[in-house]
Amino acid sequence: AQTVTQSQPEMSVQEAETVTLSCTYDTSESDYYLFWYKQPPSRQMILVIRQEAYKQQNATENRFSVNFQKAAKSFSLKISDSQLGDAAMYFCASGAQKLVFGQGTRLTINP
Amino acid sequence: DAGVIQSPRHEVTEMGQEVTLRCKPISGHNSLFWYRQTMMRGLELLIYFNNNVPIDDSGMPEDRFSAKMPNASFSTLKIQPSEPRDSAVYFCASSWGAANEKLFFGSGTQLSVL
Repeated sequence: AQTVTQSQPEMSVQEAETVTLSCTYDTSESDYYLFWYKQPPSRQMILVIRQEAYKQQNATENRFSVNFQKAAKSFSLKISDSQLGDAAMYFCASGAQKLVFGQGTRLTINP
Repeated sequence: DAGVIQSPRHEVTEMGQEVTLRCKPISGHNSLFWYRQTMMRGLELLIYFNNNVPIDDSGMPEDRFSAKMPNASFSTLKIQPSEPRDSAVYFCASSWGAANEKLFFGSGTQLSVL
């Protein structure tokens, strides 16, 4: 069975600083994908970034980047130049045909 | 495109009543997923469809839950009879292809069973 673990229930960071959210996963699939989703108070789930497991290059989307360590089954999210609008729950997810989500990390941005 | 549309946004019902949640996926998407979100269990996949056919319903908690997708533009999740422990936010999501493509989520239905 697939599992995704986010060991940090809550994180906080000063505005304009950098923060890293951790995620580890376990899967028996050889071809899979990894995602970070953001859920603001509006409840809407929004895709932040996507990584194909067969690619060694780490995905980047503007201020968001990942550190993908396949052997360690680790997939952390780095947010640079944190903004107040980044405050949300962040979910890590893994899968191919279907996604399994972690328990989430609540990120607070301090002005 | 209006995105994935779920209705109702909120539902309050009494234990024992039948509840039907509705979802309209994005036009052209051929995969549809139902997730349940609770504080205790996080986001759980209940069932997913591909080309209107249920592929994996292993996450459906029990026989009280059923899901249908009669056509490419509509799906329902039904709970009969409902129980207080069913209280949660239920999300519908759709994608073109499998979940390894981008999942588009609806706004969710907040269900409260009293």
